[in-house]
Amino acid sequence: DGGITQSPKYLFRKEGQNVTLSCEQNLNHDAMYWYRQDPGQGLRLIYYSQIVNDFQKGDIAEGYSVSREKKESFPLTVTSAQKNPTAFYLCASSIHSIGIATEAFFGQGTRLTVV
Amino acid sequence: AQSVTQPDIHITVSEGASLELRCNYSYGATPYLFWYVQSPGQGLQLLLKYFSGDTLVQGIKGFEAEFKRSQSSFNLRKPSVHWSDAAEYFCAVRREYGNKLVFGAGTILRVKS
Repeated sequence: DGGITQSPKYLFRKEGQNVTLSCEQNLNHDAMYWYRQDPGQGLRLIYYSQIVNDFQKGDIAEGYSVSREKKESFPLTVTSAQKNPTAFYLCASSIHSIGIATEAFFGQGTRLTVV
Repeated sequence: AQSVTQPDIHITVSEGASLELRCNYSYGATPYLFWYVQSPGQGLQLLLKYFSGDTLVQGIKGFEAEFKRSQSSFNLRKPSVHWSDAAEYFCAVRREYGNKLVFGAGTILRVKS
């Protein structure tokens, strides 16, 4: 089945550690996104990529890094510089197109907790 | 900058009652508009989308939404709510010449029996 797979579902991090969240899609989508979700704040865009080897900062990129070496994969690293990383992280993908109302398809999310 | 406002943080309706969730957007040109639903601890599922044509859009699970340009609104409706509709609902907007989705803060729907 086509879709977006995020792993792990739950992740615990000690303060000062970097952690990497995995996101893989087999939808052949060009564009991929990372969102952070906190209660009452909706989804905020961290990074997005419209093509392999290219990505742009979203609204809250500080303390995060990404790579896009393959079309199918868009891992997110939460670095020690992120002061409040405990949140629910959602990965999404979409067809990169202009003039078409393409929706984003979402993974099931990773809940990151700092302990 | 684009923004999406969902004025209601929580809404409680009785099972079988009608539902309307409000969404207002701020964007100069005609945006692409979406409604998503999220169950606790899960990803988002698309309910419906609008980009042109008929301003009343039908979606999955019996939901519909109406685009009103004069009010910059895209409200979600359902004539009869089921207990399984309890979830969080997000309105989102995308620019015509961009790929980024901007989300509202969400509305949590509770259904009482």
